[in-house]
Parts: sequence; structure tokens; C-alpha cells
Amino acid sequence: ILNVEQSPQSLHVQEGDSTNFTCSFPSSNFYALHWYRWETAKSPEALFVMTLNGDEKKKGRISATLNTKEGYSYLYIKGSQPEDSATYLCAFTAGGFKTIFGAGTRLFVKA
Amino acid sequence: EAGVTQFPSHSVIEKGQTVTLRCDPISGHDNLYWYRRVMGKEIKFLLHFVKESKQDESGMPNNRFLAERTGGTYSTLKVQPAELEDSGVYFCASSPYRAENTIYFGEGSWLTVV
Repeated sequence: ILNVEQSPQSLHVQEGDSTNFTCSFPSSNFYALHWYRWETAKSPEALFVMTLNGDEKKKGRISATLNTKEGYSYLYIKGSQPEDSATYLCAFTAGGFKTIFGAGTRLFVKA
Repeated sequence: EAGVTQFPSHSVIEKGQTVTLRCDPISGHDNLYWYRRVMGKEIKFLLHFVKESKQDESGMPNNRFLAERTGGTYSTLKVQPAELEDSGVYFCASSPYRAENTIYFGEGSWLTVV
């Protein structure tokens, strides 16, 4: 059974704080790891796709790392802003290209 | 380039009725996925097409749900008969046939069963 776990479930931070979330996934049969940003009433927006162990990706104040051997990825947000408030989804693609999503981390950034 | 489009965007039907959701993936994308999110819960995988073939339909909740992708282009997801617990948002997504490619989502079809 493919299981993707994200923690924490929700997070409240102050504007300017830096924060990070964790995504755990099966370490076998790994193809790719995705991070999405999802605002309510919109469709998920792709942030990163990572395929290689040790990959690090960065987009503005957001960055992500990948450890396929131990089955985890971290997403970091530096200097959180209120507009960063959203649900951050992690998704794992296994062999056969089936992609399973975690439950997400809901981030609230207070001004 | 057009993105993933879904129709209808919103639908309100009575329990026992039938609803058919349609998804047009990005042109050339062989992978097509259906996901759904019921109120307050996470996005759940329903099924995955590669071209016209069902690669994995392990997430389909029961036999009231039927998905098709004739000709490997657009896909339909039919719910018959609809139950109250089927309410939620149904997302379609597509990607080229390589795992490392980004999966692009449609805006979703919001279904309310009353």
C-alpha cells in the first residue's frame, strides 16, 4: 500500500518567520516526488518535481530537498508572507506512474 | 497552450440521479488522472489512464463510479446513482508519459448531491 504522510497537519506562523514541513513516502519503487501549493477553490499549483536523491530545488523563498533512500522530503519557506497561506501537498509517483497525494500541511501566516 | 479543462465546474443533483463529469487533458498528455476531495479530507486518488487504458483504478470507491477514456483523448467520470457522500470536488490531471513531469490539474468539478 502506498502511503504518503505529511507533517504537521497545520501550522500557524507570524509574518517573517521561516518554516518547514515534512513529507514521508515509500523508499522503494520511487520515480518522482512532487510539491504543490493549493489554495481553497483553486486547482493545485505545481511547485517542484524532484527525481534524484539529494535533489534540491528553489523557487523564490521556497525550497525543497529530497532523500529517496530514507523516504522523506522537506519543504522550506523563508520569511513567510500572508500570501503564502495555503495547503502544501506532497505527492509520490511510483512505478507505473501512479501518483499518490499526502493529506497536506495547512499553513496560516498571520500579518 | 490550453490547460486541463473540466466540465461542469459546478453541479447540484438529487440523490439517485446520474452525473457525468468530463475532462479534457492537455493535448499530447498520455497520463490522465482522476482525484477527488470530499469535504475536509485530503485529495484521494481514483484512477489513472495511460492513453485509453486503465492503468490503475484501485481508488474507485465502488461500482457506482465508471470512468472512460475512449480514443485516449478526453475522459468521463460517471456517478450512477449518486449518493450524498459523493459530494466533493473531482479533479482531473494530466501529464506526459514520464514520471518526472509535472502533473497539471484542472479547476475541478464541484459536485453537490442533495
